Amino acid sequence: SAVISQKPSRDICQRGTSLTIQCQVDSQVTMMFWYRQQPGQSLTLIATANQGSEATYESGFVIDKFPISRPNLTFSTLTVSNMSPEDSSIYLCSVEELSYTQYFGPGTRLTVL
Amino acid sequence: KQEVTQIPAALSVPEGENLVLNCSFTDSAIYNLQWFRQDPGKGLTSLLLIQSSQREQTSGRLNASLDKSSGRSTLYIAASQPGDSATYLCAVRDSGAGSYQLTFGKGTKLSVIP
Repeated sequence: SAVISQKPSRDICQRGTSLTIQCQVDSQVTMMFWYRQQPGQSLTLIATANQGSEATYESGFVIDKFPISRPNLTFSTLTVSNMSPEDSSIYLCSVEELSYTQYFGPGTRLTVL
Repeated sequence: KQEVTQIPAALSVPEGENLVLNCSFTDSAIYNLQWFRQDPGKGLTSLLLIQSSQREQTSGRLNASLDKSSGRSTLYIAASQPGDSATYLCAVRDSGAGSYQLTFGKGTKLSVIP
């Protein structure tokens, strides 16, 4: 199974600033995904990150707020822009392998003051 | 829109007991169903994946079943151990073309008491 790492593991940020989260996979994968888990809630898909094309965003999420890069088949970044306390969540990246199993990174715990 | 429900929200059992976690989904047109484990403050660990054509999958002390027509899945944990304490999430992937999104339940928080 794919091994996924994320940086940073956690951060505390001020309102109005931006944070970029990195996701690194130990093998080449086609599909990468970014999820958000708000406190006490389950996971919600933010967007699908495709190498060589624009990310596909789910309803309620927009590129200006959550810009995503996917420069190659092993790496992606998610930026949380102009943050507010409502953005405090765990952000997770995941990948899907040929078996259609999704594997998740350890997550980035973000607190916005 | 697919909705996934997990009951109970929390469960506490003594060590050694067998237990069943339940997951239900509203749209039976799924591609697969996946069970995950999440430890506090951590990411998700994939436990089992069941394709829509399968009835069950087993891994060690874990057995997951799927009844697609009734929109239900169960995760059976045999001989529970304190190390099994975690939140268990089920997620379904719809069968629509180009659909990669997993729809998650809110999870069942399991506590195994030594």
